[in-house]
Amino acid sequence: AQSVAQPEDQVNVAEGNPLTVKCTYSVSGNPYLFWYVQYPNRGLQFLLKYITGDNLVKGSYGFEAEFNKSQTSFHLKKPSALVSDSALYFCAVRDITWDSGYSTLTFGKGTMLLVSP
Amino acid sequence: DGGITQSPKYLFRKEGQNVTLSCEQNLNHDAMYWYRQDPGQGLRLIYYSQIVNDFQKGDIAEGYSVSREKKESFPLTVTSAQKNPTAFYLCASSIDYRRNTGELFFGEGSRLTVL
Repeated sequence: AQSVAQPEDQVNVAEGNPLTVKCTYSVSGNPYLFWYVQYPNRGLQFLLKYITGDNLVKGSYGFEAEFNKSQTSFHLKKPSALVSDSALYFCAVRDITWDSGYSTLTFGKGTMLLVSP
Repeated sequence: DGGITQSPKYLFRKEGQNVTLSCEQNLNHDAMYWYRQDPGQGLRLIYYSQIVNDFQKGDIAEGYSVSREKKESFPLTVTSAQKNPTAFYLCASSIDYRRNTGELFFGEGSRLTVL
């Protein structure tokens, strides 16, 4: 079984400061990892994904994420936060070696990011 | 512009009534999904369809039904058997179910409230 944990319900950061939103995962094989962002009453927007290769992945709006296999983590980061980054962020995982068939995406419970002016 | 269209955006239903949520995509994607979102619980998979005329139950399929008669359309019916249907429902698609690397594209959601 695959699962995702986002240990923080909310992260608060001041504008201009670096931000980190944490994500850890559990899979039986190798993971495909994704980050999405959701603004109020809207659908989810794709930010970035890790499939293979470089452990540091760059995505939309200046976000990046670092894949750490030994710690089974995929934390989302941004060097300088903006007030407009305030939103709900979801980490998701797919186990690519699940050999029982097609593997769907499993989402974490989400972390609310609040950036203060 | 290509994308996923969900309708209606807001829907009110009386207890005991069935309601159907529409999801249409013009991205030419093979796979489509329905998720339910409740505060603090993330997204939970209701049903998914890898290809036309085929669909599979997700984690919380009880009280829901779907059809996939056309590639572009994947409607979700919330039946009276669903005990707690008030939620935000999200439809998504991905380009090809064989390519597990593909990210999901989401619609704007439908908020169902049972009165």
